[in-house]
This record gives sequence, C-alpha cells and structure tokens, in this order.
Amino acid sequence: GAGVSQSPSNKVTEKGKDVELRCDPISGHTALYWYRQSLGQGLEFLIYFQGNSAPDKSGLPSDRFSAERTGGSVSTLTIQRTQQEDSAVYLCASSQPSEKETQYFGPGTRLLVL
Amino acid sequence: GNSVTQMEGPVTLSEEAFLTINCTYTATGYPSLFWYVQYPGEGLQLLLKATKADDKGSNKGFEATYRKETTSFHLEKGSVQVSDSAVYFCALSDRPSGNTPLVFGKGTRLSVIA
Repeated sequence: GAGVSQSPSNKVTEKGKDVELRCDPISGHTALYWYRQSLGQGLEFLIYFQGNSAPDKSGLPSDRFSAERTGGSVSTLTIQRTQQEDSAVYLCASSQPSEKETQYFGPGTRLLVL
Repeated sequence: GNSVTQMEGPVTLSEEAFLTINCTYTATGYPSLFWYVQYPGEGLQLLLKATKADDKGSNKGFEATYRKETTSFHLEKGSVQVSDSAVYFCALSDRPSGNTPLVFGKGTRLSVIA
C-alpha cells in the first residue's frame, strides 16, 4: 500500500514569505506527527494530531508556525513570514490505532529560506 | 525530561566488520525503544523496536536489546555491508499505551567501504 506522502519535496522561498507543506498519511492512520530535521538541532517534534484535533502543540517553535488536519487525513503545516532559521527538512509521520507507538515517516519536504 | 544519547559519528567500517552504535536513554516511565535508519536521499524507516525490558528487536541482521538496568539500546550487526551506509537514529516513546511524539538521538552516520 501507499506510504506517507509529502509535498512539495523541495521548496525554496524568500525570507518573509509564507509557505504551506502538505502531508498525506497512510490510509487508516489516525495519528499524525510533524517533525523538523535540521543540522544543528537533529530531529525535533513540532505537533501531533489525533483525528482532527491537536492535543500536543508543544514543539511549535513560534506563533509563525501553525498546522491543521481535515477529514482525519491530510495535514498542512504553515509557516508565516519565513526566516532563514526555518530552513530544514520537515517530516511527517503517521501511526495506526493498533500499533500506536510505531510511526511511519514520509520522505520529507526540504525547505530553504533565502 | 526524556532524552536519547547516541554515539557521535561518523563511523567508518570495512565491509564485513562488526558494528556497534551505542544508545542510552533517560525516561520517566517505561518507554518503547526504536532504531530508525535514513538511507541517502530517503526518509526515515523503522529498523527495529523493543517495547519492554530484555526484549530484543531484530531486522536485516541488526539487533538491539532493551537493557533497563543500564538504560541502553545499543545497535549491533555482525557483518556490515556497503548497503548499510546510512544515518541511524535511536528513539524512544515514553507512553507505549498511547500516542506520543518520538524523542530522537542526534543520529550516527555510518559509512561502509568495500
């Protein structure tokens, strides 16, 4: 079956612009996670969805970052007024109810803010 | 808080050499432990996992044993191949009964030369 997909695979933007990153989880996976992978910080948790609600947003680095999930499926991570320090690979993962602790990752979106 | 510490790389080995990548953790409860692998240009893939003390996870010739007394989950392989060249991440999930973000180590880059 299809895995987690993310789009775009690469995004180059100018400082100050807004970007939207999309994640399509594995069908039937109710939990969805966003992480950020950067050279200096390793892999950092951003936000977690259970269905359409986000019980844990503790990893969002600032109020420029927001995310939503609709229909219990696709999620969008939005970064407003991008800064150079936002440059990173943004990873999405999902998990199924019968195996909650095992997360399956997408290929990531590589964001470069110039 | 929860944390994972793994040996810093890069690690360079000759083909058929023995591999150990050390991983230790700090957690308040009884976490599940994971090794993820990231091959060049690809996303994170689950390599193996263990959910309770003394469990051994294994996959593709790799093994790791959950050692509660030493809070460790070291990754081993008896004979590495060039195709094992990748970045390896140790991770924990501290609420196995429910959804929870993964806490990752900083990753260890392995290069295997023929």
